[in-house]
Amino acid sequence: EPEVTQTPSHQVTQMGQEVILRCVPISNHLYFYWYRQILGQKVEFLVSFYNNEISEKSEIFDDQFSVERPDGSNFTLKIRSTKLEDSAMYFCASRATADYGYTFGSGTRLTVV
Amino acid sequence: EDQVTQSPEALRLQEGESSSLNCSYTVSGLRGLFWYRQDPGKGPEFLFTLYSAGEEKEKERLKATLTKKESFLHITAPKPEDSATYLCAVQAIPSGGGADGLTFGKGTHLIIQP
Repeated sequence: EPEVTQTPSHQVTQMGQEVILRCVPISNHLYFYWYRQILGQKVEFLVSFYNNEISEKSEIFDDQFSVERPDGSNFTLKIRSTKLEDSAMYFCASRATADYGYTFGSGTRLTVV
Repeated sequence: EDQVTQSPEALRLQEGESSSLNCSYTVSGLRGLFWYRQDPGKGPEFLFTLYSAGEEKEKERLKATLTKKESFLHITAPKPEDSATYLCAVQAIPSGGGADGLTFGKGTHLIIQP
């Protein structure tokens, strides 16, 4: 069964450093997403991406965040200057159409120290 | 603002003891309601999408139903391997672009004891 692949599975970074989280969505999917889950809290929507541009973003997704689909297969989330409160599980998701179910990756656990 | 409330927060059942999980939602216009299963340290695993009141879907021991205000996930004769956190999420009908992100509830942590 096709999977969404995320790397790395765990990343530790120092406060103020830039991090890039990587995702390989399912190959024929057109819609791409990033969500995050702070330990013990809800899964929260960050951003959606379609047709090579952001289609929606939440208020969490401020100027410190950016997304890119650099080569037609990878989908990345960049955090420019990490803060302690950015520590969370970050999930990438994709889906084939706007009415199809989302497939989530296994996540990247980001720890900011 | 879209809201999703799940109850109970945690549920412990004996193997074979059937029960239901509740998801109450408030959304301006419902495009879809999703049920996911999440195991510790893993991403949500898709179970069902429901689109309109009265719709029902089944998969093995799970059955999801939908009304205009809530959804239920019924678990029949559960087994220990059904232990997980079950997440409910809604997608709103876009009001002028976007709005395809999901709003999640906190989940119900289900434990099935042998």
